[in-house]
Amino acid sequence: QKEVEQNSGPLSVPEGAIASLNCTYSDRGSQSFFWYRQYSGKSPELIMFIYSNGDKEDGRFTAQLNKASQYVSLLIRDSQPSDSATYLCAVKTGGSYIPTFGRGTSLIVHP
Amino acid sequence: ETGVTQSPTHLIKTRGQQVTLRCSSQSGHNTVSWYQQALGQGPQFIFQYYREEENGRGNFPPRFSGLQFPNYSSELNVNALELDDSALYLCASSLVGGSTDTQYFGPGTRLTVL
Repeated sequence: QKEVEQNSGPLSVPEGAIASLNCTYSDRGSQSFFWYRQYSGKSPELIMFIYSNGDKEDGRFTAQLNKASQYVSLLIRDSQPSDSATYLCAVKTGGSYIPTFGRGTSLIVHP
Repeated sequence: ETGVTQSPTHLIKTRGQQVTLRCSSQSGHNTVSWYQQALGQGPQFIFQYYREEENGRGNFPPRFSGLQFPNYSSELNVNALELDDSALYLCASSLVGGSTDTQYFGPGTRLTVL
């Protein structure tokens, strides 16, 4: 059973701070990692994906992958109230076209 | 906007009825995956269609069935609706065989079973 674990939160950070969201996975064969943002009542939207160990930056977002420790994280710099949402981590193994989703972490950015 | 569309947006049914949800994939994509998302949970994989064939199925009973059409659009059918089927149903399209098979979601269909 492939598992993707996320702390459900909520994670509360002040505006302008760095929000750090974490995700662990059980399958060592996992090769593709995705972060989605989901506003309440809306569908998930892709923020970024990462395939290789290390950091990948896109604007205020940085994904960090550590395959040895089986975790992937998302950092949001200069957090804004508009970043308040649930962040879903999704993990896919090599040869599979079907990602497994975590239950998401609720982020609240307060002014 | 991902270019993935779903219809209807909202639907109310009663227990025992049948429902059909529809999804049009993003231009250039050949694969559609369906997910069920209950409140406070992550999306749960129902099944995936690639080239009109089912390409994987999650832990859902046979009363959940689907189709993919030659234009890559898809339908999700649920028979004998139960109260627990109330959820947000998400369709995601992707390009299998391309440089990346990242999934992009449609806006979802909110199904309420009374």
